[in-house]
Amino acid sequence: AQSVTQPDIHITVSEGASLELRCNYSYGATPYLFWYVQSPGQGLQLLLKYFSGDTLVQGIKGFEAEFKRSQSSFNLRKPSVHWSDAAEYFCAVTPNTGFQKLVFGTGTRLLVSP
Amino acid sequence: EAQVTQNPRYLITVTGKKLTVTCSQNMNHEYMSWYRQDPGLGLRQIYYSMNVEVTDKGDVPEGYKVSRKEKRNFPLILESPSPNQTSLYFCASASPGHRNTEAFFGQGTRLTVV
Repeated sequence: AQSVTQPDIHITVSEGASLELRCNYSYGATPYLFWYVQSPGQGLQLLLKYFSGDTLVQGIKGFEAEFKRSQSSFNLRKPSVHWSDAAEYFCAVTPNTGFQKLVFGTGTRLLVSP
Repeated sequence: EAQVTQNPRYLITVTGKKLTVTCSQNMNHEYMSWYRQDPGLGLRQIYYSMNVEVTDKGDVPEGYKVSRKEKRNFPLILESPSPNQTSLYFCASASPGHRNTEAFFGQGTRLTVV
């Protein structure tokens, strides 16, 4: 069965510092991969997605993610964090055959300190 | 504007009183799904539908019903709500046949069962 692991429940980063949020997945074939962000009281917004091709994916708000097949990872990065980035971040996967099931990780809550 | 609309956004109800949460999308998407979000558990799929009159169970279907009589609508029905169904619910839609597709989410419905 597919599964997604986000090992960090909370991460605190100083404003202006770099950020990396970890995501590992378990799946027999390369799935489609996504990162979503959820601001307090809000719905889910797609940051970026990976289907195939270039393993470094650029998203909105200055985020990027790198797909590493050998490590079954899809880590999210940002070179300089802003206070407005404080939110919960979810990694998700779905089979590359369709959208039958979008499987989410448990989320990482990002706190940004001044 | 392309969107997924859920109603109501907030609902407080009593144990055993049937309720329906509506979900509507205006993107002509074939796929629709319901998720619940609980602290520390991420989003878990309740039911999904690949097209009209085609529905299937997700990971946590107990206590829920769905129907897909029209392509745009996918209501979630709680016949006899219980306190353990207190949660934040999200509806999503996608078009699986399109390359580089993504799932679009509603704003969420916060349900409290007392």
